Amino acid sequence: ILNVEQSPQSLHVQEGDSTNFTCSFPSSNFYALHWYRWETAKSPEALFVMTLNGDEKKKGRISATLNTKEGYSYLYIKGSQPEDSATYLCARGDQGAQKLVFGQGTRLTINP
Amino acid sequence: DTEVTQTPKHLVMGMTNKKSLKCEQHMGHRAMYWYKQKAKKPPELMFVYSYEKLSINESVPSRFSPECPNSSLLNLHLHALQPEDSALYLCASSQEPGPDRGVAYEQYFGPGTRLTVT
Repeated sequence: ILNVEQSPQSLHVQEGDSTNFTCSFPSSNFYALHWYRWETAKSPEALFVMTLNGDEKKKGRISATLNTKEGYSYLYIKGSQPEDSATYLCARGDQGAQKLVFGQGTRLTINP
Repeated sequence: DTEVTQTPKHLVMGMTNKKSLKCEQHMGHRAMYWYKQKAKKPPELMFVYSYEKLSINESVPSRFSPECPNSSLLNLHLHALQPEDSALYLCASSQEPGPDRGVAYEQYFGPGTRLTVT
């Protein structure tokens, strides 16, 4: 069984503050690590897909890093805005990268 | 068009009913997926289709029957479901990653069908 763990489970951040959260996963037989943002009543939206150790990706105020040797990824949000409120899911890709095993998610709430 | 559409949005069915969930994408993706998501849990993979062939079945009970009639459509046929099958069913699609490590593609998700089995 592939356990993907995310921490914290929930987070309240003041608007304008920066924040980060963690995804940890088994490092053996690694294919890919995905990050998704899931707003209530909407579809999960892909943020990043990373495959190589040391990968860093950035999209606007959001960035992510990957360490495949020790099995963790960090997601960073700089200058949080209310529209960043969502559940952030990470998923490890397995079996040729098609099979995604999701973590429980980090529920982020930005307080105005 | 980067949209994955799913119909219906909501479905209530009895345990003896037969119904189908539909998913459609027009991005030219050759991999399509069904996930099940129970409340306060992450999505769990059910099935993967690659080039219209079933490539992964995560030991899903036979009361769930997937079908991929063409490269744009994915169906999930439901029969004799149990109340514990009530969940959000998500469809997704992606480019086909192929055999090479270091190549992976994001999955595009639909909004889901909220299924209630009574």
